[in-house]
Amino acid sequence: RKEVEQDPGPFNVPEGATVAFNCTYSNSASQSFFWYRQDCRKEPKLLMSVYSSGNEDGRFTAQLNRASQYISLLIRDSKLSDSATYLCVVRAGTALIFGKGTTLSVSS
Amino acid sequence: DTAVSQTPKYLVTQMGNDKSIKCEQNLGHDTMYWYKQDSKKFLKIMFSYNNKELIINETVPNRFSPKSPDKAHLNLHINSLELGDSAVYFCASSQGAMRTGELFFGEGSRLTVL
Repeated sequence: RKEVEQDPGPFNVPEGATVAFNCTYSNSASQSFFWYRQDCRKEPKLLMSVYSSGNEDGRFTAQLNRASQYISLLIRDSKLSDSATYLCVVRAGTALIFGKGTTLSVSS
Repeated sequence: DTAVSQTPKYLVTQMGNDKSIKCEQNLGHDTMYWYKQDSKKFLKIMFSYNNKELIINETVPNRFSPKSPDKAHLNLHINSLELGDSAVYFCASSQGAMRTGELFFGEGSRLTVL
């Protein structure tokens, strides 16, 4: 069983759409949770942390369900510039464990 | 100024050769990492150093040897390169061995083994 699992997509959506990504993790002792974004042929960058109470950053909303070991990312009003791969990331101990990512393509 | 810089960005070499990738960070962080991203885009941790001390050493062939001369530098040396070593190698740094969860990545070094 993979430590962090995501639907690889691709998700192809029109501008303005709302899209949701899901992620599950296997280690119940995981301590912290994040979403990173990776553009094509670029390095990953932190998009946002994920808190138990849920958190929002502009058009992006992240949710965490520790009981189900499930993390989600909701993007509202998609922009062309949101096209990227979104990586679900979990911290266990001193290591960050990355999912394989979900690819989003937003078209006009 | 680039925060985390790696050299070289591209490396094409023959099987059996030995190569090194260098990484430097000017963020004042105390922890540095090497990640490997394979052709399926899976980003996997290889090593981590905190204040020059090895703290993470995943199941990586011993042909891979990291070296940290000081906390701002973490180099990766690979002996006897194999086809399966072809990947993008990312260096990263953070403050506090993962307290914040934010890793700052370099632009990656794309290694192709022929």
